[in-house]
Amino acid sequence: EAGVVQSPRYKIIEKKQPVAFWCNPISGHNTLYWYLQNLGQGPELLIRYENEEAVDDSQLPKDRFSAERLKGVDSTLKIQPAELGDSAVYLCASSRAGTENTEAFFGQGTRLTVV
Amino acid sequence: QKEVEQDPGPLSVPEGAIVSLNCTYSNSAFQYFMWYRQYSRKGPELLMYTYSSGNKEDGRFTAQVDKSSKYISLFIRDSQPSDSATYLCAISNTGNQFYFGTGTSLTVIP
Repeated sequence: EAGVVQSPRYKIIEKKQPVAFWCNPISGHNTLYWYLQNLGQGPELLIRYENEEAVDDSQLPKDRFSAERLKGVDSTLKIQPAELGDSAVYLCASSRAGTENTEAFFGQGTRLTVV
Repeated sequence: QKEVEQDPGPLSVPEGAIVSLNCTYSNSAFQYFMWYRQYSRKGPELLMYTYSSGNKEDGRFTAQVDKSSKYISLFIRDSQPSDSATYLCAISNTGNQFYFGTGTSLTVIP
């Protein structure tokens, strides 16, 4: 079974430019998460989807960040415009909510550097 | 107050040592407890998953949950250099909201 797939793995952009990240969750996982991880820190939730509905986006900086999960499968996270402080690793995770096996599985992440 | 607290370390031990990693959490409603291992420049990898209290063993790894103290632990026996990584604890209540510790950096010296 394929794991969570993210692309690109690395991205370097100039500040004020837009950037987009893509995530394909594990097949059958209806819950999808985007996390932000700074160096030396644990993942911090940006947004959580249940199928195509964003059920928790309270930590998403909506002035510059947006996300979508069309058809309840793949998801994209966008930043426009990017700022220097957005440099971090963006992690996507998925889980099969509603059963006892509620572990979240992560992708390899996209390391963003804003210069 | 953060939902879960974890000593960031770093922790350095000789090969073969027993490693103890710990987290505390604030809300007794949490029922699902996980440990993730994260190698440098990789995503977190699920290592151990425990529901409610008790111990769970998988090879050299033992996860322990003490709900009365709101304390979770991961023990690594006979530690190996390949165990060198950052270990993240995670807790969950409904099963689809996860809260992560800051991670403990572990180095096992050959």
